[in-house]
Amino acid sequence: GAGVSQSPRYKVAKRGQDVALRCDPISGHVSLFWYQQALGQGPEFLTYFQNEAQLDKSGLPSDRFFAERPEGSVSTLKIQRTQQEDSAVYLCASSFYASGANTGELFFGEGSRLTVL
Amino acid sequence: AQRVTQPEKLLSVFKGAPVELKCNYSYSGSPELFWYVQYSRQRLQLLLRHISRESIKGFTADLNKGETSFHLKKPFAQEEDSAMYYCALSGGNTDKLIFGTGTRLQVFP
Repeated sequence: GAGVSQSPRYKVAKRGQDVALRCDPISGHVSLFWYQQALGQGPEFLTYFQNEAQLDKSGLPSDRFFAERPEGSVSTLKIQRTQQEDSAVYLCASSFYASGANTGELFFGEGSRLTVL
Repeated sequence: AQRVTQPEKLLSVFKGAPVELKCNYSYSGSPELFWYVQYSRQRLQLLLRHISRESIKGFTADLNKGETSFHLKKPFAQEEDSAMYYCALSGGNTDKLIFGTGTRLQVFP
C-alpha cells in the first residue's frame, strides 16, 4: 500500500495483558515515530527510530513500553502488563528524511485504538 | 520547557467568515512550526509549515517570534474546512514533533 499501515486498528485488552501493535511504514522511509494520543489530547511523542536504531525513547512512559524495528522497516510497539491509563490511540508515522531535516512532513497511519478494561 | 498551546478546543463559524486558529509556543531555540489537520475519518496530515511561507487551501500562518505565536488564518471559511487542527513544533537536530491539544473547527452552512 501507499501509506503507513497499522494493525490492529482496535484492540481491547484486560488489565495486566500484554499487547503488541504493528506499524508498516512507507517503503524507503528512514525515520519512524510512535505517538500516543489520549482522548481529547494531541499526539504525544513516545519514541523514534532511524532505520533500525532507536535514537530517542524519552517519551516512553514506563519500562512496560518497548519498541523495536529490527530490520529498519516494520516496527512493533509492545506494552506489557497493560493498565487502564494506557488506553489511547497509538499513532505511527514515518518520514523519508533522516533526523535533522526538520521538514516536519511525517506521514501518519490511522492508528491503533487500545482500550484496557 | 518545549510546549505548544492551542487555547481553543472548539471554534465555530459560518461559511464565508474569517477564521483564526490560535497557537502559541514555548521553545528555547529556533523551532520549526507546522500545522497538521485531521479531517473526519482520515489520518493526520501536514497542512503547512512556516518555513515554506506557503498558502495551502487558502490557509496561511505567520511565525511571530516576538509573541511566540503561529496562528492559522483563512479569510473565508468553507464547509470542507471543518476538521481538527493541530499546531506542532520541532527543533534541534530531530524531526520529533511536539503537538498542541488541537482545535476543532466547525464551519456551518
